[in-house]
Amino acid sequence: GIQVEQSPPDLILQEGANSTLRCNFSDSVNNLQWFHQNPWGQLINLFYIPSGTKQNGRLSATTVATERYSLLYISSSQTTDSGVYFCAVSNYKLSFGAGTTVTVRA
Amino acid sequence: GAVVSQHPSWVICKSGTSVKIECRSLDFQATTMFWYRQFPKQSLMLMATSNEGSKATYEQGVEKDKFLINHASLTLSTLTVTSAHPEDSSFYICSARDGGNEYEQYFGPGTRLTVT
Repeated sequence: GIQVEQSPPDLILQEGANSTLRCNFSDSVNNLQWFHQNPWGQLINLFYIPSGTKQNGRLSATTVATERYSLLYISSSQTTDSGVYFCAVSNYKLSFGAGTTVTVRA
Repeated sequence: GAVVSQHPSWVICKSGTSVKIECRSLDFQATTMFWYRQFPKQSLMLMATSNEGSKATYEQGVEKDKFLINHASLTLSTLTVTSAHPEDSSFYICSARDGGNEYEQYFGPGTRLTVT
């Protein structure tokens, strides 16, 4: 199966800081999604981004499919951004990375 | 749009009993649904792929007779944990593909199962 590596595993931020999360994958894919898992376990769709760049408020993402990586940018972080961020890729079945645990301190 | 629900959100059952978890796509038709399992502080592990009107495809190492999956309609898939044991305690999450985009998946809120 496709291997997915996320870095860093843990990230501690002061409120208002910016950060970048990285996702590397081992093969070409039709689907790449970023999720935020909230404290109750719900996976929130952030981006469907198999290639290119997208922005949604303070979040943006870029996928460079030819180089097999994707980046998730969080700007002006808020305490509500805390949680686990997952990258998942697929050509049919999603393979998840191990996640990045983000803690934003007030 | 693209909302997936799960019921129940949490359940406690006694060892040896069976538990059914429902996954519904509320505002779209889902020809394919997926079932995942997540242990504390770990990532999601795919258990099986469920296609409407056909048998589920299970991932290697997942017991078909323990985790029964039925995808009876385009909006409903069920996972039944049979003869549950404490080691089956976990967080179970379903997802579904929106027919308008054959690749993007939307996830339900999850079901926390505790077997005593």
